[in-house]
Amino acid sequence: SQQGEEDPQALSIQEGENATMNCSYKTSINNLQWYRQNSGRGLVHLILIRSNEREKHSGRLRVTLDTSKKSSSLLITASRAADTASYFCATVDYNQGGKLIFGQGTELSVKP
Amino acid sequence: GAVVSQHPSRVICKSGTSVKIECRSLDFQATTMFWYRQFPKKSLMLMATSNEGSKATYEQGVEKDKFLINHASLTLSTLTVTSAHPEDSSFYICSAGERRVDYGYTFGSGTRLTVV
Repeated sequence: SQQGEEDPQALSIQEGENATMNCSYKTSINNLQWYRQNSGRGLVHLILIRSNEREKHSGRLRVTLDTSKKSSSLLITASRAADTASYFCATVDYNQGGKLIFGQGTELSVKP
Repeated sequence: GAVVSQHPSRVICKSGTSVKIECRSLDFQATTMFWYRQFPKKSLMLMATSNEGSKATYEQGVEKDKFLINHASLTLSTLTVTSAHPEDSSFYICSAGERRVDYGYTFGSGTRLTVV
């Protein structure tokens, strides 16, 4: 089953602009993870934020987590055409073998 | 870093035949691997959890006899689509993690299955 909604489902921006994607989840979590998928490829792990963290940075990525609202956001700053991909948030159900439960994803298009 | 190799990347088969997809962890031991299915422009749907040395755990609605999973070693899990039909055409992805809390998972590059 899917964890929740991602917002927006699709986002189109110009190079240099920032892209913000939001994710909601339903259960309690140990951490929340963000993945990127290029078209027709597997997923690449981008960043993990623990439940006791509120914000985390990695290069041009900034992730926030609000456990009271059960939501997270991924910000990509100074976007590049190469950032064009689908982005998924995911939580881990450690009570069920550690399976990842994915959001619906945001399809990001960065135009040069 | 952890690497998961998935083969083949693309396969076309005739209806009624079976297709095997391999997922290998190259530099770590994976007692658990996960198999996902993805439809165009959709999210990943977990099909089953593959457990080394024991039976796979299938998600609700996934046919066990249709999608056979074998996890015979700590580095290899296979998914066999039996008696494939055109509706089985999809993108299949495996993943594995090092079973440490607060670590991300590594995914294979996916297999595009087309049943004609």
